Amino acid sequence: GAVVSQHPSRVICKSGTSVKIECRSLDFQATTMFWYRQFPKQSLMLMATSNEGSKATYEQGVEKDKFLINHASLTLSTLTVTSAHPEDSSFYICSARNAGQGAGDTQYFGPGTRLTVL
Amino acid sequence: QKEVEQNSGPLSVPEGAIASLNCTYSDRGSQSFFWYRQYSGKSPELIMSIYSNGDKEDGRFTAQLNKASQYVSLLIRDSQPSDSATYLCAFKAAGNKLTFGGGTRVLVKP
Repeated sequence: GAVVSQHPSRVICKSGTSVKIECRSLDFQATTMFWYRQFPKQSLMLMATSNEGSKATYEQGVEKDKFLINHASLTLSTLTVTSAHPEDSSFYICSARNAGQGAGDTQYFGPGTRLTVL
Repeated sequence: QKEVEQNSGPLSVPEGAIASLNCTYSDRGSQSFFWYRQYSGKSPELIMSIYSNGDKEDGRFTAQLNKASQYVSLLIRDSQPSDSATYLCAFKAAGNKLTFGGGTRVLVKP
């Protein structure tokens, strides 16, 4: 149980294009999902908190117009990197919090998406 | 001061030995603490969660929490080469957000 998937696992795009990353909770409902970014040899940095049915909450310094988040259902959140540039190249990881009763507050991570912007 | 402090390592341990990882945190209100393991190029996977002072054991892993000292540790017994990874300490902050430490790289040598 508690499986989170991400798609795509790897994407290479040209500068200026937009890239959409999907995060799905496969066997549980997630009212809250989180999007992280990890640069090489650094720890995870939270970008935003995605809440089902409402606007995402962005961390300080993260541009909400550049990183569009949509959480349209209890099992799917999407992150769109708009007008991507080489400095956006990173490992993007989502996590989902199980909303089920007794599930505690554990977050389960997706396998990550490696974005390379040329 | 960083919210979560971890020694970056690498922590080198011989196979079969005990690896001891430490983590300190600044938020006294934290109630939930987690240890994640991250292999190179992969996303983190949960090893342990701990909420109460004391020890919690799960297989070869033991987490220890001391809220008064704002300290959480992880012991890995009978370390195996497959335990070589970066171990991330995290605590739950407001809004159910996780705050991560920088991670400790562990190398288990055969």
